Amino acid sequence: AQSVTQLDSQVPVFEEAPVELRCNYSSSVSVYLFWYVQYPNQGLQLLLKYLSGSTLVKGINGFEAEFNKSQTSFHLRKPSVHISDTAEYFCAVNSWGKFQFGAGTQVVVTP
Amino acid sequence: NAGVTQTPKFQVLKTGQSMTLQCAQDMNHNSMYWYRQDPGMGLRLIYYSASEGTTDKGEVPNGYNVSRLNKREFSLRLESAAPSQTSVYFCASSEGVRAVYNEQFFGPGTRLTVL
Repeated sequence: AQSVTQLDSQVPVFEEAPVELRCNYSSSVSVYLFWYVQYPNQGLQLLLKYLSGSTLVKGINGFEAEFNKSQTSFHLRKPSVHISDTAEYFCAVNSWGKFQFGAGTQVVVTP
Repeated sequence: NAGVTQTPKFQVLKTGQSMTLQCAQDMNHNSMYWYRQDPGMGLRLIYYSASEGTTDKGEVPNGYNVSRLNKREFSLRLESAAPSQTSVYFCASSEGVRAVYNEQFFGPGTRLTVL
């Protein structure tokens, strides 16, 4: 069985400051990893995904994530956030076609 | 392309009423999914359809039924709504559940309140 843990339910951050959202997963088989963003009152949009190859993955809107197999983590980072990055972020694992989502991390960016 | 569309956007029901949530995708995807989103619980899979003509239970199927009407459309039915089914419902699609690396594309959601 697989599980996804997002270690922070809410992350307050000031505009232009860096942010890191933590995601750990457990799975006994190979996994494919995703980060989605959900803006208020909208559906989920894909930010980035790790399938194979380089462990540093770059996504849209300046986000990047690093896959660490030994620590079973896939943390999301952005060096400088904007007000428009206020949203909920979901980590997801796809293991043999079964998607499992984390509980989400709410990012609140203030001026 | 509209992507994944859902109707209605909002709905209020009384306990015991029934309704059907509609979902359609125009990306020629094989697989479709229904999730519910509740605060602090992320997304939980209700039902999915790996391909036209097949449906399977997900994590929280009780109280729901689904129909894969054709390749484009996947509906979710609440036969007798309960307050515990108050939630935001998302439909999603992907190229194929067997293609393990595929991402899912999401609709805008339906906010359902059961009084």
